[in-house]
Amino acid sequence: DGGITQSPKYLFRKEGQNVTLSCEQNLNHDAMYWYRQDPGQGLRLIYYSQIVNDFQKGDIAEGYSVSREKKESFPLTVTSAQKNPTAFYLCASSSGQGFYNEQFFGPGTRLTVL
Amino acid sequence: KNEVEQSPQNLTAQEGEFITINCSYSVGISALHWLQQHPGGGIVSLFMLSSGKKKHGRLIATINIQEKHSSLHITASHPRDSAVYICAVFYGGATNKLIFGTGTLLAVQP
Repeated sequence: DGGITQSPKYLFRKEGQNVTLSCEQNLNHDAMYWYRQDPGQGLRLIYYSQIVNDFQKGDIAEGYSVSREKKESFPLTVTSAQKNPTAFYLCASSSGQGFYNEQFFGPGTRLTVL
Repeated sequence: KNEVEQSPQNLTAQEGEFITINCSYSVGISALHWLQQHPGGGIVSLFMLSSGKKKHGRLIATINIQEKHSSLHITASHPRDSAVYICAVFYGGATNKLIFGTGTLLAVQP
């Protein structure tokens, strides 16, 4: 089955630790995205990548880093510089480059900082 | 002020009712997406439209570009329709951004 997988589903982190959230897709999509969802707010874009070995900052990139070494993988690292990392993180992909195209979402990772 | 406003924020309906969820935006857009988020958190894209009306099963989405308004309708609602429905607008050109609404929580009771 084609789709997007995210792991882990739940993640707990101590303050000061970096953690990496996995996102893998087998849809052969060029573009991939990371969003953050907080209660009472719309999804906000963290980073996106329109092609392998290239990525751009979204609206709330501070305290996060990404890499796009393979077409199917777009891991997100939440660094200790992120002041309020507790949130629900969603990864998405689209076949075309740009936000006009339909995005396919993964199941999400819920990160809690202890 | 959020650039995308959804109403209502919460909606409870009885099974079989006709449901309407509204989305308004402040400036001209290139396209609008309707998404469904299930209680577990996963999101599914329902529609993308830039004009007129689209229908898929019991779901109908309409957009009025002049009035900067879109509606999502669910006919013959069912408890399995219970979810958060999210509107997202795409600003093209130099802006090239997708702005999400905060969602409408729908609960359909049997």
